[in-house]
Amino acid sequence: AQSVTQLDSHVSVSEGTPVLLRCNYSSSYSPSLFWYVQHPNKGLQLLLKYTSAATLVKGINGFEAEFKKSETSFHLTKPSAHMSDAAEYFCVVTATGRRALTFGSGTRLQVQP
Amino acid sequence: DGGITQSPKYLFRKEGQNVTLSCEQNLNHDAMYWYRQDPGQGLRLIYYSQIVNDFQKGDIAEGYSVSREKKESFPLTVTSAQKNPTAFYLCASSPRRDRDPPNQPQHFGDGTRLSIL
Repeated sequence: AQSVTQLDSHVSVSEGTPVLLRCNYSSSYSPSLFWYVQHPNKGLQLLLKYTSAATLVKGINGFEAEFKKSETSFHLTKPSAHMSDAAEYFCVVTATGRRALTFGSGTRLQVQP
Repeated sequence: DGGITQSPKYLFRKEGQNVTLSCEQNLNHDAMYWYRQDPGQGLRLIYYSQIVNDFQKGDIAEGYSVSREKKESFPLTVTSAQKNPTAFYLCASSPRRDRDPPNQPQHFGDGTRLSIL
């Protein structure tokens, strides 16, 4: 079985300050992990993915995430928030035997001017 | 540009009516998926198809039906048996799985918002 827990449903930061969106996962096998972003009334866009290569993964728009097996975490970070980063972010896991993705419940990021 | 097209963007259903949501992709992907998104929740899998003329139920298939007659098309029908159909529906696709665990990300359409009249 596999599952994903996004630890914060809402995160609010000021423009120019760091962003941290937390994600813990559970998987019986070596997982693949993804972060997606969703803007209002839009589909999901892939930010980055981890697939058992380097544990520090760099994505688009300055985001990165670190896979920590000992902590079963895959937190998303960005050094400096921009107003355009305001959106919903989903942590996603997939693993052997699963034909599709398991989504976290999402974290809504607000960026204050 | 390659991508996934969902139509319509907004759809209204009357009581007892079946409605069909369209999903077309020109990415030459083998696998296609339908998800349902409710406010404050992640996506839940309705149906998926790994190849033409084959599809599998996901976690919440009751009240829904699909077909996969062509590689590029995967329409979803919301039947009258689905008592709470109001939601945002997302279609996705990915290349055929070539290894375990699957590491190909899914590409998403812009969704269809379904409401009850």
